[in-house]
Amino acid sequence: SAVISQKPSRDICQRGTSLTIQCQVDSQVTMMFWYRQQPGQSLTLIATANQGSEATYESGFVIDKFPISRPNLTFSTLTVSNMSPEDSSIYLCSGRTGYNSPLHFGNGTRLTVT
Amino acid sequence: DAKTTQPPSMDCAEGRAANLPCNHSTISGNEYVYWYRQIHSQGPQYIIHGLKNNETNEMASLIITEDRKSSTLILPHATLRDTAVYYCIVRFHSGGGADGLTFGKGTHLIIQP
Repeated sequence: SAVISQKPSRDICQRGTSLTIQCQVDSQVTMMFWYRQQPGQSLTLIATANQGSEATYESGFVIDKFPISRPNLTFSTLTVSNMSPEDSSIYLCSGRTGYNSPLHFGNGTRLTVT
Repeated sequence: DAKTTQPPSMDCAEGRAANLPCNHSTISGNEYVYWYRQIHSQGPQYIIHGLKNNETNEMASLIITEDRKSSTLILPHATLRDTAVYYCIVRFHSGGGADGLTFGKGTHLIIQP
């Protein structure tokens, strides 16, 4: 199984600023995904991070707001741009080592926007 | 992916078996049943998955009915550390594996001392 580390684990940011979250996996993963978990809610898929190409976004999420990079098979970043209080959530990175392998998750980045 | 239905919450006494039900009546033949749990302040943790046969690992057992329209996750000897939200997810195994999982609301399992 893959061990996924996220940085930062939490942050408090001012509205209008941007935050980049890093996701590092200890082994190569075929697929990486980013999720959002709003307070008291379940997880919502933001996008699939594609290596070397543009991410694939789910309905309701756009690249200008959540730019994603994935330069190699073990690393990805998610940026939350022009933040507002509504962006206060936990952001989680996940990865899959094989096409039909289980997803493994990091412990998330808890973001508070003031 | 097929939709799942789980009770919002359940209690179980410490040391007893916790049986968590999940309905997935619209499941198709190529869809697997996955179980994850999320302990407070952590990311979801994979527990087990299966297609139609019962499965067991070091964490739990998964019992899938013969018609595959429902399943039960069994934690054989629940401890306080098993208190978490448990998610039952149905996923189609594709050749590309490019799908992220769709999480429902899950069952909040509370283990009572």
